[in-house]
Parts: sequence; C-alpha cells; structure tokens
Amino acid sequence: EPEVTQTPSHQVTQMGQEVILRCVPISNHLYFYWYRQILGQKVEFLVSFYNNEISEKSEIFDDQFSVERPDGSNFTLKIRSTKLEDSAMYFCAFRGTGGVSPLHFGNGTRLTVT
Amino acid sequence: QQPVQSPQAVILREGEDAVINCSSSKALYSVHWYRQKHGEAPVFLMILLKGGEQKGHDKISASFNEKKQQSSLYLTASQLSYSGTYFCGTVGGSNYKLTFGKGTLLTVNP
Repeated sequence: EPEVTQTPSHQVTQMGQEVILRCVPISNHLYFYWYRQILGQKVEFLVSFYNNEISEKSEIFDDQFSVERPDGSNFTLKIRSTKLEDSAMYFCAFRGTGGVSPLHFGNGTRLTVT
Repeated sequence: QQPVQSPQAVILREGEDAVINCSSSKALYSVHWYRQKHGEAPVFLMILLKGGEQKGHDKISASFNEKKQQSSLYLTASQLSYSGTYFCGTVGGSNYKLTFGKGTLLTVNP
C-alpha cells in the first residue's frame, strides 16, 4: 500500500479549465514533490515543497501552476488554465527527513486535456 | 542536469542477464534506481551513496563509480517480474531534487 494517496486517479478536463490534483500522505512528512510523466516519456520534476513553501521549481512549473498544503494534510497541485500539452500522469512524492532517503511516489493522477 | 541512460531498451529471455548504465556530466554524490511497471508509479530499488559502493537485493545489484561519474544496474538470471522501465536518478539542487534519466525499457520474455 502506498503511503501517499492521490485523487482522482483519472481526470478528464477541457482545455482552459482549472484542475486540482490532490495528494494525502499517510505519515507526517516534510518534503513533498510533484512530478509529471507524459505518456512513454521520462519522469520530470515540477516542484518541491518544504515547510509549507516552494523550495525549488522547474521551467515547466510556470504561472499556470501552483501548489498548496492548505490544511497541513492535503498537498495540492493546481493548473489554472489547462492546455493540451498538460495531458500526463502526475505523481506526488515525498521523502523522509534523515539524510539521503528515497522518494516514495503515489499512484498518480492521469490528466487528460481535451 | 539529466543523467544519460543506456541502452534505451533491452529484450531478454528469462534467466538472461542485463546491465543498465547511467552516467552524468556532473559530479555524482548519489544515484537512485527505480523501476516502473506499465501504468504504475516508479518504485524505489536502491540508493548508492559513495564511490565503489555496490548494493543489491535478490538478483538485482548496482555499482557506483564516482570517478567515472556513472552507475550500473545489474540484473542477473532475469525473471518475468523484472520487466518494466528502469530509471536512474541523480540528486542536485538545494532541496534534494531528483532528476531522472529517460529510462531503459526492459522486457523479459519466457
């Protein structure tokens, strides 16, 4: 069982619509990440989030994207105005606090923009 | 900077061995290996932390050559369950950003 639950598992939306992807960790973790994977391609870093702040973001993570941890539990990724090229699998991930530790991924949300 | 993986794809028969390589143009301090099955999330395999270190479990092991800035993943006596895409990841940035290579698709046939 993954320690991170992502919802929804699949989201279909029309171009220009806003989507919110959710991630709920089971344990208390401090370091969170969003990655995306376009079908058949590599896993790409979007953003890292630590202590309720963005700590690093990639070029992909432009003004259309935002992340929040509004209630100290859910970790959300919002895409304000979706584009066709936003269609991808979005993975939330976390890591532990001790030194070098692995990333653990949620099961992902498949976003389809039509 | 994205690590480079080779080969892009490997097809094996059950019981055969494979080696997947991962190299970087920048100094490596740690290398992570993950396996992703079709339609699933990447799953952590192992981390290598220092030069020369070899780690493994079952018949999957890895080495890390800090000088050459590369790591290799060894799959011996492959099983059908080994099929999937293998990604190496390298750490950079101030907050542990893991950057993945493009992946190596491993197919093990009966």
